[in-house]
Amino acid sequence: RKEVEQDPGPFNVPEGATVAFNCTYSNSASQSFFWYRQDCRKEPKLLMSVYSSGNEDGRFTAQLNRASQYISLLIRDSKLSDSATYLCVVNIRGATNKLIFGTGTLLAVQP
Amino acid sequence: NAGVMQNPRHLVRRRGQEARLRCSPMKGHSHVYWYRQLPEEGLKFMVYLQKENIIDESGMPKERFSAEFPKEGPSILRIQQVVRGDSAAYFCASSPWDRGPSQPQHFGDGTRLSIL
Repeated sequence: RKEVEQDPGPFNVPEGATVAFNCTYSNSASQSFFWYRQDCRKEPKLLMSVYSSGNEDGRFTAQLNRASQYISLLIRDSKLSDSATYLCVVNIRGATNKLIFGTGTLLAVQP
Repeated sequence: NAGVMQNPRHLVRRRGQEARLRCSPMKGHSHVYWYRQLPEEGLKFMVYLQKENIIDESGMPKERFSAEFPKEGPSILRIQQVVRGDSAAYFCASSPWDRGPSQPQHFGDGTRLSIL
C-alpha cells in the first residue's frame, strides 16, 4: 500500500466549476501536511499547508481529518491557470523532515 | 532574495559516465533535501543533509549514488557509472529547520538528467 494515495485523474472541469481532490495517508505518525502543485516538467510549488482546523486561501480550502487519515483540497471558481497536477504531501514524525509525496491528481480546466 | 538554485537545468550523459548535480539552498537555509522524479511517477525522497553531515540517506540507491553538503559551496548529488534507469528529474529542496519540521520545503527548478 502506498504511503500517500491520490486519484490520478484527470479531472476535466469547465471554468468556474468547483472541484475537490482527496488524499489518504497510511502512516499514523504523519505530522505535517501540505498541498503542492506541479506544472508540467516544473518544480513542485507549495500551495498551502493543511491543518486540522481547516484553512482557506482565496479560492482554495484544505481540510485534514486525522482520525480518518484523510486530506482534501477544494478549489472554487476554477481558472484556466489552475490546470496542473496537485500533490498531496505528508511529513513523518521523526528525526528528519523528509516529505512523502502522492503521485498527484491532474486537473485540466477547460474554457 | 534568490530561491533554491540548481544547476545544470539539463544534463546529458552517456552510459558509464558520471553525473554531478549541484544545489544551493535558499539564503538562511542550512538543510538540503534531494528528491528524484522518474517519468510518470511521483517524487521520491533520496537524502537529507545539513552542512557537512548526512542526516538521512534512506532513499539513496546503495550503489553509485552519493551526496555531500560541504561547509563551503553547494550540495552535490553524484551519480557514478550512470545507466538508462537514472534518467529522471532531480529536485533539491531546502528548509529552515530551526522553525521545526512543520515548515514546508522550497524546491529548485530541478535538473533533468538524460542518459543516452
